[in-house]
Amino acid sequence: DAGVTQSPTHLIKTRGQQVTLRCSPKSGHDTVSWYQQALGQGPQFIFQYYEEEERQRGNFPDRFSGHQFPNYSSELNVNALLLGDSALYLCASSFPTAWDGYTFGSGTRLTVV
Amino acid sequence: QKEVEQDPGPLSVPEGAIVSLNCTYSNSAFQYFMWYRQYSRKGPELLMYTYSSGNKEDGRFTAQVDKSSKYISLFIRDSQPSDSATYLCAPINTGNQFYFGTGTSLTVIP
Repeated sequence: DAGVTQSPTHLIKTRGQQVTLRCSPKSGHDTVSWYQQALGQGPQFIFQYYEEEERQRGNFPDRFSGHQFPNYSSELNVNALLLGDSALYLCASSFPTAWDGYTFGSGTRLTVV
Repeated sequence: QKEVEQDPGPLSVPEGAIVSLNCTYSNSAFQYFMWYRQYSRKGPELLMYTYSSGNKEDGRFTAQVDKSSKYISLFIRDSQPSDSATYLCAPINTGNQFYFGTGTSLTVIP
């Protein structure tokens, strides 16, 4: 049973560029949440998708946007990259209310130069 | 004030020691309290969780919540080198949104 898979694992982008990160949820899960984890910090909630709609959003600017596809996979898009966007981006999948089944992927390490 | 404050690390203990990891939180609406373990270059994995105040034991791990003082603890008995990781506390709000602490880095020395 595959867990949460994220791609790519590492990425280097230039300030001002745009980036798309991808996530495939664990089999059977239909809710995807995205987190940003800066070095030495805990994960910060970006947003959550369920039924292809953004259900909740954390305190992140509109430069951060997402999408969920009918197969429950998800994308995180970040526009106009800033140096401060450098972080580990984590995707977590779950059922809508089954917080105990929250499964994280290994993340995408984004470096903005 | 941050939603969740976690004791800063790093923490280094000898094998077999009892480890205490602690967090405080500010939102009295939190009801579920999770502990995640994160190994280097990996995503967090759920260790255990508690609901409301009280203790919950799972093998060598005990999670404790005191809602009156808004204090969360994780105890590890007979610590092993394989326990070396970063431990994150994460209360959850009624919307199933997680609020992670900054994490405490633990090293267990053989």
